[in-house]
Amino acid sequence: DTAVSQTPKYLVTQMGNDKSIKCEQNLGHDTMYWYKQDSKKFLKIMFSYNNKELIINETVPNRFSPKSPDKAHLNLHINSLELGDSAVYFCASSQAVGGPTYEQYFGPGTRLTVT
Amino acid sequence: AQSVTQPDIHITVSEGASLELRCNYSYGATPYLFWYVQSPGQGLQLLLKYFSGDTLVQGIKGFEAEFKRSQSSFNLRKPSVHWSDAAEYFCAVGAGYDYKLSFGAGTTVTVRA
Repeated sequence: DTAVSQTPKYLVTQMGNDKSIKCEQNLGHDTMYWYKQDSKKFLKIMFSYNNKELIINETVPNRFSPKSPDKAHLNLHINSLELGDSAVYFCASSQAVGGPTYEQYFGPGTRLTVT
Repeated sequence: AQSVTQPDIHITVSEGASLELRCNYSYGATPYLFWYVQSPGQGLQLLLKYFSGDTLVQGIKGFEAEFKRSQSSFNLRKPSVHWSDAAEYFCAVGAGYDYKLSFGAGTTVTVRA
């Protein structure tokens, strides 16, 4: 009964391709996030949705587009992949009750390699 | 905006020895404070958190952390490390109402036999 799951775990693709990463949480949380972890392990927030509404949209290329079909799912679509997109992408979720609690639970990550 | 500094990039400790990881934050008020651990090839697991109250908090896996307002610090400790504690440790801060967690750069812990 995985709390936050991501698919796929590994993704190897060529430059220029379009790919998607899926995330699902069964914690009943109302806020979900996408993070990018670079080769130096630095974690950077990319997007966040609260009740399917986009609330965080950091400086991320337009090639990245998140979609939240419902509170339990947050997908990330990447167009025209570039070498610099190679990283580990983490999904996370939290419950905001009367404001953010910040206690986030992370998925296992998707290692994206662009060749 | 808040920020987090983890001064130690890499720490090596002998199995059975004590461990202390440093974390300093910058924020005008008391933020929400967290420590996460990332084992090789894994996601981040929440070790412990501090919101308010007792400044010494206990977490999972035998870890504890102490919030010191005067030093803007939230250091993580474990009295006796196990080989399985070898991992990357991240301190994180949440503040205001922007829903963002700011992470430190992480500290890599190596455990030698």
